[in-house]
Amino acid sequence: ETGVTQSPTHLIKTRGQQVTLRCSSQSGHNTVSWYQQALGQGPQFIFQYYREEENGRGNFPPRFSGLQFPNYSSELNVNALELDDSALYLCASSRPGEETQYFGPGTRLLVL
Amino acid sequence: AQSVTQLGSHVSVSEGALVLLRCNYSSSVPPYLFWYVQYPNQGLQLLLKYTSAATLVKGINGFEAEFKKSETSFHLTKPSAHMSDAAEYFCAVTPNYGGATNKLIFGTGTLLAVQP
Repeated sequence: ETGVTQSPTHLIKTRGQQVTLRCSSQSGHNTVSWYQQALGQGPQFIFQYYREEENGRGNFPPRFSGLQFPNYSSELNVNALELDDSALYLCASSRPGEETQYFGPGTRLLVL
Repeated sequence: AQSVTQLGSHVSVSEGALVLLRCNYSSSVPPYLFWYVQYPNQGLQLLLKYTSAATLVKGINGFEAEFKKSETSFHLTKPSAHMSDAAEYFCAVTPNYGGATNKLIFGTGTLLAVQP
């Protein structure tokens, strides 16, 4: 069984640019959640997608947006990048009706 | 509202010694509780979870945790530390609404160092 995968692994952008991060969920998982982990901190919930609809959002501005596709893969888009957006972005997937989330390896974003 | 407090941002133990990482939670509804481990430059790996069945939960790599409702705690223990246990450990809580995936609320993490 293939686990959660994310791409790219690392990314460097400059302030004001836009970025798209990608996540492939684990087989049989239809729910995808995104988290931001700043250096030295615990992950913070950004939003969750279930059946291609946003299903909950954390305290992040609208310039953070996402998509989920029919195959349950997902994208996280961040517009107008700020220096504070530098972080590890984690994607997690879960099975229908299950509480456990399985995490991918993350994408490390550096904004200069 | 839910929250998690992990006491001790850094814990250092000797190889072979007991590992005890502390987690206290606050939840207005019955919780699910999790411990995840993060090795350097990697994502989060599930160690164990409490989902309202047995209060003593056994996980991977010899770790276990006990849910104590009266103390609102879910401390992680391992009888004998190995060098390979050096990593950052996160406690997380999510509401037990049953049949759904809800957002995880994480603590700030505890960095475990294992001395030879």
